[in-house]
Formats: sequence, C-alpha cells, structure tokens
Amino acid sequence: DTGVSQDPRHKITKRGQNVTFRCDPISEHNRLYWYRQTLGQGPEFLTYFQNEAQLEKSRLLSDRFSAERPKGSFSTLEIQRTEQGDSAMYLCASSSGTGLNEQFFGPGTRLTVL
Amino acid sequence: AQSVSQHNHHVILSEAASLELGCNYSYGGTVNLFWYVQYPGQHLQLLLKYFSGDPLVKGIKGFEAEFIKSKFSFNLRKPSVQWSDTAEYFCAVKAGTKTSYDKVIFGPGTSLSVIP
Repeated sequence: DTGVSQDPRHKITKRGQNVTFRCDPISEHNRLYWYRQTLGQGPEFLTYFQNEAQLEKSRLLSDRFSAERPKGSFSTLEIQRTEQGDSAMYLCASSSGTGLNEQFFGPGTRLTVL
Repeated sequence: AQSVSQHNHHVILSEAASLELGCNYSYGGTVNLFWYVQYPGQHLQLLLKYFSGDPLVKGIKGFEAEFIKSKFSFNLRKPSVQWSDTAEYFCAVKAGTKTSYDKVIFGPGTSLSVIP
C-alpha cells in the first residue's frame, strides 16, 4: 500500500509530557497537511507544507505545537507540555500540487492525554 | 472566514431509502467543494469533488452531489442506501482556485446509520 502512513496509530501520555508524531506522505506528493479532529467534529486545519517550506499555520497551532518537514518528504508534529485538551485524532494528508490537487488522508494518530 | 455547515448531525435510514445530506458554505468567491466519507475504523476517503463545469457531480458508490451557487449549497444524494453506507460524511470547501491556496475547511460531519 503506497498511501499516506502515520505513526504511531495510538498514543497515550500523561499531561505535561512531550509527544511526536510522524507522517509519511505518498512518495511523489510535494504538499503535506496536518489536521486535528475531535469527537463529533470535522477535521480542523493545522498547518501546510510545500516541500520543506511551512506555508501556512492555523491560529489553532499554539506555541506548544511545532511541525517540520526537513527534507520535503516525511513530516513530524511535536506537541510540548501536553494538556488534556490536546486529546484528539491528528490527521495527515498529502497532495501532488498539480491538476485537481486532491488531498489523500492517512489513518491518523489518536492522542489521549491523561 | 469561510465556514461549512451540515444540516443533520445524525441520520438514520432503512436500506433502500433515499438519502440527501445538506451542506452549506459561506464564501462569496470561487470554491472547490468536496464530500469525504469515513467508514468505521477507516480513514477519510474522497467521495466526490466539484471544481468547475457541470454542477451535478457523480462520485463513487452511486453518490452524487449538486452545486447550487445561488444557495451556497452542495448537497449529497444517493437514491438507495445500503447497510455498507453506514459512515460519517463530511462536506468540505477550499476557497479559491489557485493551487497555492490549499486549506480545506470541513463541516462538522453527519453520521449516517443504515438499518438492514
């Protein structure tokens, strides 16, 4: 399967700990997106990369959140000093940036902060 | 700011019933519109999309949606649902047509339960 992959699929952590999630996009896709989804809601945009450049960040992305895509391939999303309100599904998507530019989603990482 | 609303939070239908899920968006300019589906335990998948041209769009699994610009709506329809259509359905909008502007705004979702 050459779709978008995310690791880990589930993460349980204690409040105050740091966590890091990884996203591997579809190999030929140069655009990568992070979203957050809470129960009963649609995904909310967090940030967007074109190659290694982070082009847009939502105001939802507080200073405790940081995302990187150092070589323009995989991306990491780090949350420092986690809070219970950070509990959510974190989704990654990628697109080719050409044509209709459809975004393909990964399975998500479910974060539970105790 | 752009926003997307979906008319129903939870819909329950019997198999073979017809389905229509409402979606409205707020943005006055050119939009690209999407319906995504999330089956239980699976990731988001694109059901159909509208970029331009014919406002009646056909997607996978017998779904279709109609873009009505004057009503800022993009309702999803299926003439006869199956138990396997049980899923969460999300309407989404991307403002503008420049590929450099890629932020997709999702609605809150409609949970569809189809009873055999």
